[in-house]
Amino acid sequence: EDKVVQSPLSLVVHEGDTVTLNCSYEVTNFRSLLWYKQEKKAPTFLFMLTSSGIEKKSGRLSSILDKKELFSILNITATQTGDSAIYLCAVNSGTYKYIFGTGTRLKVLA
Amino acid sequence: GAGVSQSPSNKVTEKGKDVELRCDPISGHTALYWYRQSLGQGLEFLIYFQGNSAPDKSGLPSDRFSAERTGGSVSTLTIQRTQQEDSAVYLCASSQDRSNQPQHFGDGTRLSIL
Repeated sequence: EDKVVQSPLSLVVHEGDTVTLNCSYEVTNFRSLLWYKQEKKAPTFLFMLTSSGIEKKSGRLSSILDKKELFSILNITATQTGDSAIYLCAVNSGTYKYIFGTGTRLKVLA
Repeated sequence: GAGVSQSPSNKVTEKGKDVELRCDPISGHTALYWYRQSLGQGLEFLIYFQGNSAPDKSGLPSDRFSAERTGGSVSTLTIQRTQQEDSAVYLCASSQDRSNQPQHFGDGTRLSIL
């Protein structure tokens, strides 16, 4: 059965800390891996990764994929309270099939 | 606005009643998805539309759940004879087409069954 596992389930850090969120997957047909940020309501798209070893970067956030070891990490440097959210990882394993992990709940304290 | 719009944002109803949830996708997006998010759980896939057709309905939890999409745009998810376990946030997402495109989500409908 296809699955996506995220760790840790939750994390509390202080402003300025760097965090690394993990996403591992087992799917029969990998097409891409996506990261989303969910604050109060709609998940918002962060990154889509299709190739191993190529870092995607947006401001203080970056992500990389390892297709050999079947995982991705999302790094956030110099965290701010506005980074507090649930971070969702999803794998596209078919034309329309997206498998989501349960998310990592990040809380950044001032 | 230009985003995915869902209504109502909140719905509280009594067990046994029928509910209808609406999703208005981003204009031009042919692919539309419904998910359910329960507390502490990931997003559970319910159904996918490509245009007006739903190639895969296998994610619908029971025959009390149905969905339709008309005109390749607005979709409605209907839950008949609601049960308490149906309480969740129902999220709709759309994307440009079937090829590897990120989904854009609406704010969801929070459904509470008393």
